Amino acid sequence: DAKTTQPNSMESNEEEPVHLPCNHSTISGTDYIHWYRQLPSQGPEYVIHGLTSNVNNRMASLAIAEDRKSSTLILHRATLRDAAVYYCILRDEFQGAQKLVFGQGTRLTINP
Amino acid sequence: DSGVTQTPKHLITATGQRVTLRCSPRSGDLSVYWYQQSLDQGLQFLIQYYNGEERAKGNILERFSAQQFPDLHSELNLSSLELGDSALYFCASSFTGTPNTEAFFGQGTRLTVV
Repeated sequence: DAKTTQPNSMESNEEEPVHLPCNHSTISGTDYIHWYRQLPSQGPEYVIHGLTSNVNNRMASLAIAEDRKSSTLILHRATLRDAAVYYCILRDEFQGAQKLVFGQGTRLTINP
Repeated sequence: DSGVTQTPKHLITATGQRVTLRCSPRSGDLSVYWYQQSLDQGLQFLIQYYNGEERAKGNILERFSAQQFPDLHSELNLSSLELGDSALYFCASSFTGTPNTEAFFGQGTRLTVV
């Protein structure tokens, strides 16, 4: 499985932008980059995904490096509700099976 | 609400027993995933089904088994339970399971083995 590397933890202030980095230097040409987050005591929640181009949705933006070896999840204006563990995942396809494998993620703390 | 329903929400049972966890995927989703999350570990992928067929296997113990039924709901069976099996078990579903689709997770079943 192609691996991702994320900082263990990050801290930011409410109403400020947050940039969560992810390195995936062994990414293959057909791997999609997915981001999920897990709020305390809840199941993971889909945030955004992309292949090559930058993506925006109502929750966040995903900026993908030109060589695709890294990406950044951008929360434009953090709220206390954004405090969660954020996972950067490469969708792995092997012989027709598609795993969704989580790493350790980044624990994001938002200060009021 | 993700649309994925897991039952029961909580389960307490004794060592050596067998339990069944149930997952109803979102309407129209064909793929189901099972995960285990212990207190000191991250989300461990167990197994994936697509339209009734097993598609991918992760770190699933031989004491555990799963299936997806014709109505697409799935069950995870855990037998000969040990204290270390205490964890949150999550189910997720997605339309196809291909890399370009997102998965939606249920709220989990908290299993406590005493």
